[in-house]
Amino acid sequence: GAVVSQHPSWVICKSGTSVKIECRSLDFQATTMFWYRQFPKQSLMLMATSNEGSKATYEQGVEKDKFLINHASLTLSTLTVTSAHPEDSSFYICSASRGSKNTEAFFGQGTRLTVV
Amino acid sequence: KQEVTQIPAALSVPEGENLVLNCSFTDSAIYNLQWFRQDPGKGLTSLLLIQSSQREQTSGRLNASLDKSSGRSTLYIAASQPGDSATYLCAVHAGKSTFGDGTTLTVKP
Repeated sequence: GAVVSQHPSWVICKSGTSVKIECRSLDFQATTMFWYRQFPKQSLMLMATSNEGSKATYEQGVEKDKFLINHASLTLSTLTVTSAHPEDSSFYICSASRGSKNTEAFFGQGTRLTVV
Repeated sequence: KQEVTQIPAALSVPEGENLVLNCSFTDSAIYNLQWFRQDPGKGLTSLLLIQSSQREQTSGRLNASLDKSSGRSTLYIAASQPGDSATYLCAVHAGKSTFGDGTTLTVKP
């Protein structure tokens, strides 16, 4: 299967700072990338969908000014958590697909963010 | 809106038992369904992917079935081992992925 690499795997930051998480498709071109968040003891919830070269589509309740998503190339999408607060501490995971409807989405290994 | 439900939420079995995890979804217009394993504090490990046109997939001691018309999938684990202890997530894909809340499995030695 295709490989999606997410970096960093964990990060601790101070409240009020911004953190950038990268999601890379290593051996395929990802037309579409998805960002998910998982709170402790809960399942993964979709935050936003990004298509290369266009603005991300955010799910209801997700602040687009707080969670900045950039998908500038077919192999890289970034999620920036701006002005992070302790309540943003969570597990963030991305997935990438070639874009057509029946293609499999491949998941990164996730990033554990802790805001102190 | 797609909703995915997994039953049971938690399961504890003695080593060696065969077991079935259930997943149901409300919108049958899916492209595929995927079962994942998640260990505590870790990311997702893909176990099996079933395309919407398929009925089942097998990998080792794992067998997943899909009945798209009734909105159900099962994950069958044969001869369970303590190393199988983890949370098992079901996700349906239709452009974007919708996950169930998972079944936390504990296999006791």
